[in-house]
Amino acid sequence: KAGVTQTPRYLIKTRGQQVTLSCSPISGHRSVSWYQQTPGQGLQFLFEYFSETQRNKGNFPGRFSGRQFSNSRSEMNVSTLELGDSALYLCASSRRASNEQFFGPGTRLTVL
Amino acid sequence: GQQLNQSPQSMFIQEGEDVSMNCTSSSIFNTWLWYKQEPGEGPVLLIALYKAGELTSNGRLTAQFGITRKDSFLNISASIPSDVGIYFCAGQLGGSQGNLIFGKGTKLSVKP
Repeated sequence: KAGVTQTPRYLIKTRGQQVTLSCSPISGHRSVSWYQQTPGQGLQFLFEYFSETQRNKGNFPGRFSGRQFSNSRSEMNVSTLELGDSALYLCASSRRASNEQFFGPGTRLTVL
Repeated sequence: GQQLNQSPQSMFIQEGEDVSMNCTSSSIFNTWLWYKQEPGEGPVLLIALYKAGELTSNGRLTAQFGITRKDSFLNISASIPSDVGIYFCAGQLGGSQGNLIFGKGTKLSVKP
């Protein structure tokens, strides 16, 4: 069974630009969560989607948004990038909401 | 917000030694999860715990869900060089708050 896939794996952007990251969950998993990982703050929750609806949202500014499609694939978007947005963005899928989560390899975003 | 205190922050051990790490919180969790992350990869789920007092093993790894539901520990027996990585605990509140709250991680180094 294929794991969680994330594209792209690496991305370099400049301040003020926007970026879209993609996540394909494990087949049969309907819940997708996004996390930001930085050396200083560790792993922090961004949002969770289940059946195309956002169920839960972390404490991030409105520049961070996401969506989920009918095939459970998810995208997250960050607008007006700031230097502090440089991080590893991780997507995790689970069969149901509030179930054990399996992570993808992440997208390493660097903002210059 | 909820926080997890994970200790120790890092460990340097000799191959063959046993390792113990733990997480504590002021919040009660429905689920405790333990992950391992290696450089350039996403966290990999090692053990999931669902009931207070539950003790679960996965090969040389053993984890327990504390009776108070506010703590958990992970033991690794007879460590080997490939155990190197960062180990994270994660608590899940459940219900509409299915997101994971992560500890800061324990960095394990194993000397052959």
